[in-house]
Amino acid sequence: GQNIDQPTEMTATEGAIVQINCTYQTSGFNGLFWYQQHAGEAPTFLSYNVLDGLEEKGRFSSFLSRSKGYSYLLLKELQMKDSASYLCAVRDRAGGYNKLIFGAGTRLAVHP
Amino acid sequence: DVKVTQSSRYLVKRTGEKVFLECVQDMDHENMFWYRQDPGLGLRLIYFSYDVKMKEKGDIPEGYSVSREKKERFSLILESASTNQTSMYLCASSLRAGGNEQFFGPGTRLTVL
Repeated sequence: GQNIDQPTEMTATEGAIVQINCTYQTSGFNGLFWYQQHAGEAPTFLSYNVLDGLEEKGRFSSFLSRSKGYSYLLLKELQMKDSASYLCAVRDRAGGYNKLIFGAGTRLAVHP
Repeated sequence: DVKVTQSSRYLVKRTGEKVFLECVQDMDHENMFWYRQDPGLGLRLIYFSYDVKMKEKGDIPEGYSVSREKKERFSLILESASTNQTSMYLCASSLRAGGNEQFFGPGTRLTVL
C-alpha cells in the first residue's frame, strides 16, 4: 500500500535549526516534494528530490534516501514566519499516471 | 505570476444540494487536480485531468464528478451534497504529467448542513 508518515507537531525557537522527518512506502516512487502551508492559505512549493542526497535552497534543505524510504526538511535560522504546516508528498506512478500522495503534515510552531 | 483561482473562499450548502466548485488557472497547464484537506488526513486526491475532456479518478472519487471543457477550467461537482463532504477543497495545476511542481489555489471551505 501507500503510506507517508511525518510528525504531527513540532516546536522550535527562533534562530534555531529544526529537522522535519518523513518516511514513506509507495509502489511507484518518482520523486518527493515538500510544501509549506500557512494557516488558511494554499500550499506553496519548497523543494523537490528525486535522487539521493541533499538539495539546498537558502535556509531550507531537503534530503532523500530512496533505499530507506526517508526524507527530511531542514530549516535553519528559524524565523517566526516559518510557523506553518510542512507537507511531505511523494509522486507515485502507480496506474500509469503521476500522482502526489501527501502526508498529513507537520505543524511547526516557532517561538521567541 | 502564476495563478490558480477558485470561485469561492467559503460556501455553505444544505444536504442534497448540487454544488459546483470552479477552478481556473492562467498558466496554460495541462494537468489539473482536485483535493480535499481534512485535519489529520492531509490532502487527498479526488479527481485529476491531464487534458481537456479527460479525467481520471483519484483516491476518493465517490460522491464527486468533474468537468473539463476548457484547458484553463476544472470544475468539481457534488451531485448531492452530504455532511461528510464538509471540508477544505483545493485545486491545483501543473505543467505536464511529470511536472515537478503543482500550483495550488487558495481553497474553498465548504460546509454542508
